Amino acid sequence: RKEVEQDPGPFNVPEGATVAFNCTYSNSASQSFFWYRQDCRKEPKLLMSVYSSGNEDGRFTAQLNRASQYISLLIRDSKLSDSATYLCVVKKNDMRFGAGTRLTVKP
Amino acid sequence: DAGVIQSPRHEVTEMGQEVTLRCKPISGHNSLFWYRQTMMRGLELLIYFNNNVPIDDSGMPEDRFSAKMPNASFSTLKIQPSEPRDSAVYFCASSRGGEGEKLFFGSGTQLSVL
Repeated sequence: RKEVEQDPGPFNVPEGATVAFNCTYSNSASQSFFWYRQDCRKEPKLLMSVYSSGNEDGRFTAQLNRASQYISLLIRDSKLSDSATYLCVVKKNDMRFGAGTRLTVKP
Repeated sequence: DAGVIQSPRHEVTEMGQEVTLRCKPISGHNSLFWYRQTMMRGLELLIYFNNNVPIDDSGMPEDRFSAKMPNASFSTLKIQPSEPRDSAVYFCASSRGGEGEKLFFGSGTQLSVL
């Protein structure tokens, strides 16, 4: 079993749609959690950290369920510019990435 | 502030040649990570350093791969001899270390081994 598993997608949604990504992790001792965004042929960049209480940043909401070892990212009112690959990241001592979920937002 | 700096941006070499990838982390960051990304396997952690000391190199695929961090501002990843299956994008990333600290990536080195 992979340490961090994501639905690879692709997700193809119209502008304005709400889309949710899920991620599960296997190491129950993991300490920190993040969502990164990667555009084509670019490096991954931090989108947001994920806190136990859940957190929101504009149109983006991240949630963590430690009991189920599950992380989610919700994007509301999706924009064309949201098209990218979204990577779930889990940290204990090192940082482990999921394979990413590809999102395409269409006009 | 300068971000993580990697060189070269692109490297094309022939099978059997030695390849050296370079990374300068963000000043003040004490953790450095080397990742490899391919379509098939995604982002794989190869090795990471804390305070210039290699902590976990279990992701290094073979003895052909080696990494060093002689000081806080420089690291290298060497492949000798290179093989076509080593073709990938190699990313270096750094962080301050500690729980909750974010990872900042360089622009990557696109390696093609012919």
